[in-house]
Amino acid sequence: DAKTTQPPSMDCAEGRAANLPCNHSTISGNEYVYWYRQIHSQGPQYIIHGLKNNETNEMASLIITEDRKSSTLILPHATLRDTAVYYCTPRRDDKIIFGKGTRLHILP
Amino acid sequence: SAVISQKPSRDICQRGTSLTIQCQVDSQVTMMFWYRQQPGQSLTLIATANQGSEATYESGFVIDKFPISRPNLTFSTLTVSNLSPEDSSIYLCSVDGTGMGEQFFGPGTRLTVL
Repeated sequence: DAKTTQPPSMDCAEGRAANLPCNHSTISGNEYVYWYRQIHSQGPQYIIHGLKNNETNEMASLIITEDRKSSTLILPHATLRDTAVYYCTPRRDDKIIFGKGTRLHILP
Repeated sequence: SAVISQKPSRDICQRGTSLTIQCQVDSQVTMMFWYRQQPGQSLTLIATANQGSEATYESGFVIDKFPISRPNLTFSTLTVSNLSPEDSSIYLCSVDGTGMGEQFFGPGTRLTVL
């Protein structure tokens, strides 16, 4: 199984860029990496995904290393509403298996 | 994105009873997923439910304890049987999204077993 490793928690000042790392060194060549976040007491929310190239949408940017062994989710201007648990996960066999994620605290 | 509703939003049940959770989607979807989130933990996939076929259960989950129905492309139910306090969790329904592999999640059902 492609396992992911994320720091258990991170702090970021409001207004600054939040950079969340994820190690997925065992990911297969055709597996996409997906990022979700879960705000307290809500269902997870899809953020972004990628395979090889860097991706950007209205929520975030995703930087994937050339060897695909790690990626970084970037929230360009973090706000208090970005406080959540962020999950990095590959998709295999048409399903998503969640790891422990990173608890991101945005500091005012 | 799909809009997903779950009923009930929360419930308190007695040991030994069962609870059936409903998941309704506002559009037709092929794959539906049921997850469990124990207090302070990440999400654990219970099973995948495709319309017209038996649900596929993950390791550690069995049909007798978590029977699932999938009668059509917009609806599914998960029953948690023979409840014990260890079943106290949030149960979440999820569906495949727009074809890019992303999943959308319902708001969850918070179950407390006394």
